[in-house]
Amino acid sequence: QVQLQESGPGLVKPSQTLSLTCTVSGGSISSDTYYCNWVRQAAGKGLEWIGRVYTRGSPDYNPSLQSRVIMSVDTSKNQFSLKLSSVTAADTAVYYCATDRGYGAGGGPAHFDSWGQGTLVTVSS
Amino acid sequence: DIVMTQSPDSLAVSLGERATINCKSSQSILYRSTNKNYLAWYQQKPGQPPKLLFYWASTRASGVPDRFSGSGSGTDFTLTISSLQAEDVAVYYCHQYYYTPLTFGGGTKVEIK
Repeated sequence: QVQLQESGPGLVKPSQTLSLTCTVSGGSISSDTYYCNWVRQAAGKGLEWIGRVYTRGSPDYNPSLQSRVIMSVDTSKNQFSLKLSSVTAADTAVYYCATDRGYGAGGGPAHFDSWGQGTLVTVSS
Repeated sequence: DIVMTQSPDSLAVSLGERATINCKSSQSILYRSTNKNYLAWYQQKPGQPPKLLFYWASTRASGVPDRFSGSGSGTDFTLTISSLQAEDVAVYYCHQYYYTPLTFGGGTKVEIK
């Protein structure tokens, strides 16, 4: 298992763009198969999948957020990133990155075997 | 979207007693060509990220005590703690990874009676 660490601003103003990075250690995202999933959790609530990105192929986003989400990969830094635009208070949550190894059919999603500690993002003016 | 429905929302169990959590998917998550159920269970303690307990519905993740077991197939799944310990107090989530958008159950909070 790899270690994951999310980072980014803890406070974002409404209508602005939330930007987070997930740094991977203990493994190489360029030479090994790691899909990065972003998951968020509002206070006292359940888990919501935001999307999944890999070094090769197109990202897969939750349709409920698709119009506002961009995920990308920086293999030189062993990092994944998340951008969520036009944020509102409803986007306030702890954001996690979690990896799966693509063990699903045809490299499809699989269980999340590593999780970052999460980072709280508050949307407020 | 596949809806994952967990029951109960919460349960209180005496130390050493059995705890059973159910998870039902709105459609089958059994991939017939591999006979694998695309379901995972996670444990989340306060202030911590979820921790993988089971994948493929019944494969125990590394380091998970054997008092935990996962079972079920198709649309109905169960997580059982055979003898509840104090450190098992947590919220448990099921998760389907058969179709995107990937979805989670609403969680079941396990407490000590």
